Amino acid sequence: DAGVIQSPRHEVTEMGQEVTLRCKPISGHNSLFWYRQTMMRGLELLIYFNNNVPIDDSGMPEDRFSAKMPNASFSTLKIQPSEPRDSAVYFCASSLGGRGEKLFFGSGTQLSVL
Amino acid sequence: GESVGLHLPTLSVQEGDNSIINCAYSNSASDYFIWYKQESGKGPQFIIDIRSNMDKRQGQRVTVLLNKTVKHLSLQIAATQPGDSAVYFCAENGGTYKYIFGTGTRLKVLA
Repeated sequence: DAGVIQSPRHEVTEMGQEVTLRCKPISGHNSLFWYRQTMMRGLELLIYFNNNVPIDDSGMPEDRFSAKMPNASFSTLKIQPSEPRDSAVYFCASSLGGRGEKLFFGSGTQLSVL
Repeated sequence: GESVGLHLPTLSVQEGDNSIINCAYSNSASDYFIWYKQESGKGPQFIIDIRSNMDKRQGQRVTVLLNKTVKHLSLQIAATQPGDSAVYFCAENGGTYKYIFGTGTRLKVLA
């Protein structure tokens, strides 16, 4: 099992640029989560998908953030335009059922917006 | 749920000794708990989980204890090794998709 796969591992961009983060969940998992981790706020849930459908996007900071899950094996998180305060580590996680199930994280994308 | 990680408590343990990391969880309705290990520059790694119908669960070199009366969770690592150095944090879940993450404890293994 390859686990949750994220790309890129590191992204450095300039303010105003579009950033797209990618995630491949564990095969067979029907729940996918995007989290953001910072020193100040720890892990924050951005959006939760179940069976490719966004269930809760209340954690998405602003309209600059959007996420899609076109199929069961792929999701993207897009920031457009990016700002320096978006700098953080973004994690994708997946689980079998989404409720009270083992939650597995990817290696994360370290985003730096200059 | 959010956790604040500005100043993580640190536990320093001599190599070969046992480590005990504690977590106080917040929601009395939580019935599922996970311990994660996060090494620098990596994602949280699933270590062990426990459901509320149990008070102890053992894995390889790790044991999780759950005390629902005082809403306390602990992770015991036997014969701590240098590779165990990381930040450890707990997560609680009350049967929804929302996981609440603890603040984390940094474990330093002294040679």
